Amino acid sequence: ETGVTQSPTHLIKTRGQQVTLRCSSQSGHNTVSWYQQALGQGPQFIFQYYREEENGRGNFPPRFSGLQFPNYSSELNVNALELDDSALYLCASSVGSGLGGNEQFFGPGTRLTVL
Amino acid sequence: DQQVKQNSPSLSVQEGRISILNCDYTNSMFDYFLWYKKYPAEGPTFLISISSIKDKNEDGRFTVFLNKSAKHLSLHIVPSQPGDSAVYFCAASEGGGSNYKLTFGKGTLLTVNP
Repeated sequence: ETGVTQSPTHLIKTRGQQVTLRCSSQSGHNTVSWYQQALGQGPQFIFQYYREEENGRGNFPPRFSGLQFPNYSSELNVNALELDDSALYLCASSVGSGLGGNEQFFGPGTRLTVL
Repeated sequence: DQQVKQNSPSLSVQEGRISILNCDYTNSMFDYFLWYKKYPAEGPTFLISISSIKDKNEDGRFTVFLNKSAKHLSLHIVPSQPGDSAVYFCAASEGGGSNYKLTFGKGTLLTVNP
């Protein structure tokens, strides 16, 4: 069984650029959640996708957007990058949504540095 | 405003002894709590969880205690092993079980010395 994978592992961007991060969910999982983990902080919920629809969003501006594809893989897009967007971006997959869903399984993350 | 707080950034214990990691929360709507463990260069790994209708859940060496009136939970690891050295995150969910939006604490770095 393949776990959650994320790409790229690291990347460096400059302020104002756009970035796309990718996540492949664990086999059989239909829900993907994205989290941002700044240095010294815990992961912070960005949004969740369930069966290709956004299913809840945290306190992040609209320049953070996402997609989920029919194979349940997902993308996180960030426009107009700011220095504070530098963080580890974690993707987590699970089965179902809400009560009755199982625990979230996390990928290793993408380390984004904005200069 | 941090809704989940882990006030100890680090904890050091001797191998074989008990490790106790603490977590406090402020949102009374949280009804499901989880502990995750994170090694460097890896994503968080689920460890153990507890629903708000329980006050204790045990899984092998790991036990989580929940005190709803104090809005406090703790993770006990007995006996501690060097492989337990990692960052431990407390997380909570509101009305969505384990699968919905998780609110995390800042984490506690546990070091188990041989």
